[in-house]
Amino acid sequence: DAGVIQSPRHEVTEMGQEVTLRCKPISGHNSLFWYRQTMMRGLELLIYFNNNVPIDDSGMPEDRFSAKMPNASFSTLKIQPSEPRDSAVYFCASRGETYGYTFGSGTRLTVV
Amino acid sequence: AQSVTQLGSHVSVSEGALVLLRCNYSSSVPPYLFWYVQYPNQGLQLLLKYTSAATLVKGINGFEAEFKKSETSFHLTKPSAHMSDAAEYFCAVGPSGAGSYQLTFGKGTKLSVIP
Repeated sequence: DAGVIQSPRHEVTEMGQEVTLRCKPISGHNSLFWYRQTMMRGLELLIYFNNNVPIDDSGMPEDRFSAKMPNASFSTLKIQPSEPRDSAVYFCASRGETYGYTFGSGTRLTVV
Repeated sequence: AQSVTQLGSHVSVSEGALVLLRCNYSSSVPPYLFWYVQYPNQGLQLLLKYTSAATLVKGINGFEAEFKKSETSFHLTKPSAHMSDAAEYFCAVGPSGAGSYQLTFGKGTKLSVIP
């Protein structure tokens, strides 16, 4: 089992550019979560999906953020346009039938 | 509604000393509780979880935690700290029951181990 796979590991982009973060959950897991981690705010849940359907996106900061899960093995988090305050580590996690998440290694986003 | 408070954003212990990381929770329904560890530049790894079975839960790397409903606490302990335990630790709470998905995390406690 390769675990939850996120790409890229690091992303540096200029303000105003579009950024797409990618996540492949563990096969068979039916829930997927996107978190953002910053020093100031800690871990924040942005959105989560169950069986590919978005259940709660109340944590998405604003309309610049969007997330999709077109199938059970892939999800994206897109920021357009990006701003310096979006700089953070973004984690994807998935969960199967038993309680407990498995996290990916994260994408460190720097917007300059 | 649920929330987690971790007391102490930074804890330092000597190698070989007891590790105690504090977590108090608030939940309107019977909770499930978790401890995660994060090493530098890595994701969060599950240490242990309480899901309404035994109140004393043993996890990986010699850690354990005890669920105390009367104190709404789920403190993490390890009898003897090792240098490799230096990391950030997160307590999390989730609602028990079918159809429940969301975990709420505390702000984390960074553990330093002094040789």
